[in-house]
Amino acid sequence: GQQVMQIPQYQHVQEGEDFTTYCNSSTTLSNIQWYKQRPGGHPVFLIQLVKSGEVKKQKRLTFQFGEAKKNSSLHITATQTTDVGTYFCAGPSTGGFKTIFGAGTRLFVKA
Amino acid sequence: GAVVSQHPSWVICKSGTSVKIECRSLDFQATTMFWYRQFPKQSLMLMATSNEGSKATYEQGVEKDKFLINHASLTLSTLTVTSAHPEDSSFYICSAAGGPISYEQYFGPGTRLTVT
Repeated sequence: GQQVMQIPQYQHVQEGEDFTTYCNSSTTLSNIQWYKQRPGGHPVFLIQLVKSGEVKKQKRLTFQFGEAKKNSSLHITATQTTDVGTYFCAGPSTGGFKTIFGAGTRLFVKA
Repeated sequence: GAVVSQHPSWVICKSGTSVKIECRSLDFQATTMFWYRQFPKQSLMLMATSNEGSKATYEQGVEKDKFLINHASLTLSTLTVTSAHPEDSSFYICSAAGGPISYEQYFGPGTRLTVT
């Protein structure tokens, strides 16, 4: 079945270091979404990418959608302790009626 | 705008009893609501998709007779865990689509269910 895979599963960084999480889909996606879930909280929508090769920035966060629309990445520059949480990528299922979430990458930031 | 609430935020129940969890979109009409289950440190597992006025669509492996979903209105969906067992203990999260940004899912704060 359709799968959305994310790596790494965990990442420990020192505050100020950069962080990247990668997302790969088994199928071509019409769009990809990114969510952040703080410890003990619920997922919060960050962004949606739609176009092939699209790059979007939100302050220190840079999101990319691959040319083939099967992979994506989220890069955080100069991490801060407020970046702690789990980052999920998600894409629509074939047919588009539901969203398939990746396993998430859990980011730990040491001050 | 686009707030989704869930009630209760946590519940402890005895094995064999039933628990109802409510999911409400407070300031928009949700065309579709989703119910997820999340185990500690794991991803979101979609349980079912519900549209107002119609039967929910359950994911493979999810028992529809055990997890009853009712989507009575465009702002309310309920999940009832029937005859709960300790293995049903989990974090249940709903989300709603149809808000200001059509493609965005707005998540509720989740309900922590503990079955003793």
